[in-house]
Amino acid sequence: NAGVTQTPKFQVLKTGQSMTLQCAQDMNHEYMSWYRQDPGMGLRLIHYSVGAGITDQGEVPNGYNVSRSTTEDFPLRLLSAAPSQTSVYFCASSYTRHARGGRTDTQYFGPGTRLTVL
Amino acid sequence: SQQGEEDPQALSIQEGENATMNCSYKTSINNLQWYRQNSGRGLVHLILIRSNEREKHSGRLRVTLDTSKKSSSLLITASRAADTASYFCATVMSGSARQLTFGSGTQLTVLP
Repeated sequence: NAGVTQTPKFQVLKTGQSMTLQCAQDMNHEYMSWYRQDPGMGLRLIHYSVGAGITDQGEVPNGYNVSRSTTEDFPLRLLSAAPSQTSVYFCASSYTRHARGGRTDTQYFGPGTRLTVL
Repeated sequence: SQQGEEDPQALSIQEGENATMNCSYKTSINNLQWYRQNSGRGLVHLILIRSNEREKHSGRLRVTLDTSKKSSSLLITASRAADTASYFCATVMSGSARQLTFGSGTQLTVLP
């Protein structure tokens, strides 16, 4: 399995441009999510999806759109890029395993996309 | 806002020593997870502890959870230079689908 893959690895945009960050997983995970990581900080959730056709907002959704037409793919769209969106973006996927004692939700992360908006 | 706060922000130790990192959080949780991030890379899951568990071990890792104090600690024993990385705690809040809320991380440096 390739796991979680993200493209591109690096991207430079000008203010106002739009683009789509790609994320794909081949583990048949129902849950996928997008995070951004700013310098010196932990990850913040942008959007997530609990299955094909279902998406919801996370902590910092403004300026981003997502869709989930298949189980495998979860693209993140920047509608009109702003310098404040300069960050490293991580996609993650997970499945729920119900073990004795409760639920476990390990997430698997992609390698990240480093985005700079000028 | 960050659910978890980690302490210390940075930690530097000698190879062979133990490293302890602490995490505090604010709301009721379903589980708490620890992740490692090597410089310029994605996050790797280390260990998960459920809200009804108090301690968990995995190899050289030991995690404790005190839900009354809303805190957790990660102990790495007999550290190695390869353990140099940033370590993040992340919580899944009670009632949430699976969303992780991350702390700001501890940068661990293990000196050879």
